[in-house]
Amino acid sequence: DQQVKQNSPSLSVQEGRISILNCDYTNSMFDYFLWYKKYPAEGPTFLISISSIKDKNEDGRFTVFLNKSAKHLSLHIVPSQPGDSAVYFCAANGGGSNYKLTFGKGTLLTVNP
Amino acid sequence: NAGVTQTPKFRVLKTGQSMTLLCAQDMNHEYMYWYRQDPGMGLRLIHYSVGEGTTAKGEVPDGYNVSRLKKQNFLLGLESAAPSQTSVYFCASSYSRGSNQPQHFGDGTRLSIL
Repeated sequence: DQQVKQNSPSLSVQEGRISILNCDYTNSMFDYFLWYKKYPAEGPTFLISISSIKDKNEDGRFTVFLNKSAKHLSLHIVPSQPGDSAVYFCAANGGGSNYKLTFGKGTLLTVNP
Repeated sequence: NAGVTQTPKFRVLKTGQSMTLLCAQDMNHEYMYWYRQDPGMGLRLIHYSVGEGTTAKGEVPDGYNVSRLKKQNFLLGLESAAPSQTSVYFCASSYSRGSNQPQHFGDGTRLSIL
């Protein structure tokens, strides 16, 4: 039972264009959503988060959108840079045990120069 | 600014051997976690701790034991290693149990069981 789903294993975009990474969830009890970025041979690093009471959170080039009715969130990166090439994990917190994160399987983003 | 430090970074074991993975954090975080990452599987929670002297099972605890004798350290043990435990192991910590508290991760331990 996969509660957090990232259906696109990979995404390739051109430098300067927008990258859109998607995530779906099934547990309506989740109250916080986080995106992590992971480079090879390193641990995941926190990127941006959003509370379930909001529909948008922005931090520089990164914006996360939440559509609660659709149980869907997306991460927008504008403009995309080659250094953004990494695996992006969507994670959800809450759901009764709010100190545990449930992760998606990740999406490998490649930004081509 | 060490953050979360994992030792060792790499290890090769034979089936049946035992070993302990060490995680240390210098951020005075209460909560600590052990995950494993397998190809195409994302990160799965093995065990976690909500404070010194406490541990609890996560999603995939079988074959592993943990201890949190000191607040800054969280140990993951494999008593009898199996090939299915070949994986990359990540330790993480967080300040509190709030949903908005991001977890901070170490750089991982790559473990191969032959």
